Amino acid sequence: DAGITQSPRHKVTETGTPVTLRCHQTENHRYMYWYRQDPGHGLRLIHYSYGVKDTDKGEVSDGYSVSRSKTEDFLLTLESATSSQTSVYFCAISERQGRRDVGGGKLFFGSGTQLSVL
Amino acid sequence: KQEVTQIPAALSVPEGENLVLNCSFTDSAIYNLQWFRQDPGKGLTSLLLIQSSQREQTSGRLNASLDKSSGRSTLYIAASQPGDSATYLCAVSNSGNTPLVFGKGTRLSVIA
Repeated sequence: DAGITQSPRHKVTETGTPVTLRCHQTENHRYMYWYRQDPGHGLRLIHYSYGVKDTDKGEVSDGYSVSRSKTEDFLLTLESATSSQTSVYFCAISERQGRRDVGGGKLFFGSGTQLSVL
Repeated sequence: KQEVTQIPAALSVPEGENLVLNCSFTDSAIYNLQWFRQDPGKGLTSLLLIQSSQREQTSGRLNASLDKSSGRSTLYIAASQPGDSATYLCAVSNSGNTPLVFGKGTRLSVIA
């Protein structure tokens, strides 16, 4: 168990409202990721972080922002939610490989957040 | 750009059969390849990780092989059980600090 907690587990919101999803880890890993999963598209990377205040975009980053002010927390924000952002959102962390804390290591996922934008 | 393909998208087999799930990737310069399992409504669980220098990894009834030159990996499940029913996804990383790229998965049903 990599100690990943996502909150909330479910969220229903209206178009145009801001939404923030939280990912919390207890293992002090450097790399954290946000993916979304949709039928027909599989898992797609939104943003990832390789350290406190160090983040980068994934393939579907438009409409999303992230922040990482502490090692243990990685926040995903939808500034103005749209119906196309209805999805299941997964947070993941990359396990250290030996003494090196690099990305591309064994990935551990949270339980996901089901977000519905009406 | 790395692309990962899994065929078939769905597979149904009777209990007890040995089966193979396929994964192909377009860029053979990978760092590692991982296989995951996802149960309905749940997150992904890591099954096996194969480093680029390795040819295979085994865990219980699961065996994953890697052929970088042909851009392929297979997940072999021996003596399948109804509890193996799930979606299986493979993913590749092209470097130590590059995020994984996922295939869309194969949905496996093992019929008792």
